[in-house]
Parts: sequence; structure tokens; C-alpha cells
Amino acid sequence: VQLLESGGGLVQPGGSLRLSCVASGFTFSNYAMGWVRQAPGKGLQWVSDISGSGGDTFYADSVRGRFTISRDNSKNTLYLQLNSLRVEDTALYFCAKEAGPESYGHLDSWGHGTLVTVSS
Amino acid sequence: DDVLTQSPLSLPVTLGQPASISCRSRQSLVFSDGITYLTWFQQRPGQSPRRLIYKVSNRDSGVPDRFSGSGSRTDFTLKISRVEAEDVGVYYCMQGTRWPLTFGQGTRLEIK
Repeated sequence: VQLLESGGGLVQPGGSLRLSCVASGFTFSNYAMGWVRQAPGKGLQWVSDISGSGGDTFYADSVRGRFTISRDNSKNTLYLQLNSLRVEDTALYFCAKEAGPESYGHLDSWGHGTLVTVSS
Repeated sequence: DDVLTQSPLSLPVTLGQPASISCRSRQSLVFSDGITYLTWFQQRPGQSPRRLIYKVSNRDSGVPDRFSGSGSRTDFTLKISRVEAEDVGVYYCMQGTRWPLTFGQGTRLEIK
């Protein structure tokens, strides 16, 4: 299993970014996927999950309405669209694999993360 | 939300000695299917998290058998039978029983 995130960067408050996570080593569409973030020097915070088909999505209250998770199974790629960014969204964003197409809360494999910095 | 409380938050351990980390939830983590979705992760310095234990006590492939998980309902424990230098890092518990998924604050293990 390999998960490679990209798309992070420096953005002003109120701005947008789209994160990507390219997966390999497993049949991507057979597994739900998630995003977890870690603010500098802080602990882990779950952000969002999506089913294997992409039909079901789940969000933390802190990002609901601002972030959108999606996937393109033909490209083995997971996305996280970040809108209306706030300073407190600054974090390393990890993508992680779940245990089945509609099996959540397992996070058995993780990428190395992509850093999002929200600052003016 | 399911708040998970870990203790201690800092754990200095002598090489070769055992270590134990507690994770407590205010509510039972038993899901309607009867399974308890309590997971332990290790995050070594500068690395991404790695899953060690899932469903309370199941060790992931490649995880040394000195790591073990136990507990039920609201009280869970990660034990390391003999700490080695490579065990330095932060350990997190996570519950996957209810949305939102939640993590404990993390326990930093260091060598004395």
C-alpha cells in the first residue's frame, strides 16, 4: 500500500486549496478512505471519510460546509477541497485507508502528509 | 463526541522495562455488531502514524509481540512488555465506534 498526498501550500485566510492523495498497491475502489490532520506540535484530528463508491461522506463538525471529500476511482485518487480556510486549519493533512468499502474507523495505512499553512 | 482520555501524557521508561498507557472513554465503545472499535497508533518522531492494534487487542502485521492491547467497554490499555529504543514516539488511541472518529490526546514515550 502506498498513499502519496500533494496539494498543500501557503494560503491566505478565506482562500481555497485542493489536496490529492494517489493510492497504489491495492484495489482503490474496494476501500473507504479518510483524511486526518495534525496541527504543528499537536495531536491527531479526524477530518473526513468517504465510502469506496464515493456515495457516502462524513465530516467533522469543524470542517462541515467548508471542506468536501471526493474520489475518482478511475484515477485511484482521493481529494479534499478546502474552502473558506481559517488560521486554525493550518496542519499536516494525512490520507489514510480504511478496512473495506463501507468500513470506517480503521485507518490501517497512512500517507506521509501534505502541509497546509493558512496565514496572511 | 466520544472524548478519549489518555494517561499518562508523558511516559519516561528505562530500556528493557515495561510500559503501560491507559485510554478511557466516557461511553461504551461497543458497536451494535458487538465489536469494540478501539485502535492504537504509534507516531515516531518525524513520521506518519502507524497502526499497531485494532479492535482492542489485534496486532497488525509486522508489529512486535511486545506490544499488546486489552480492555473492554470504556477502559483500554496498551502495554509494551520491554521497551526498546525504537519505541520512542507518541501513542494515540482512537475510537471508530461512532461518528466523529476521535483520538486521545497522545502519550509521549521517552527513554530515561
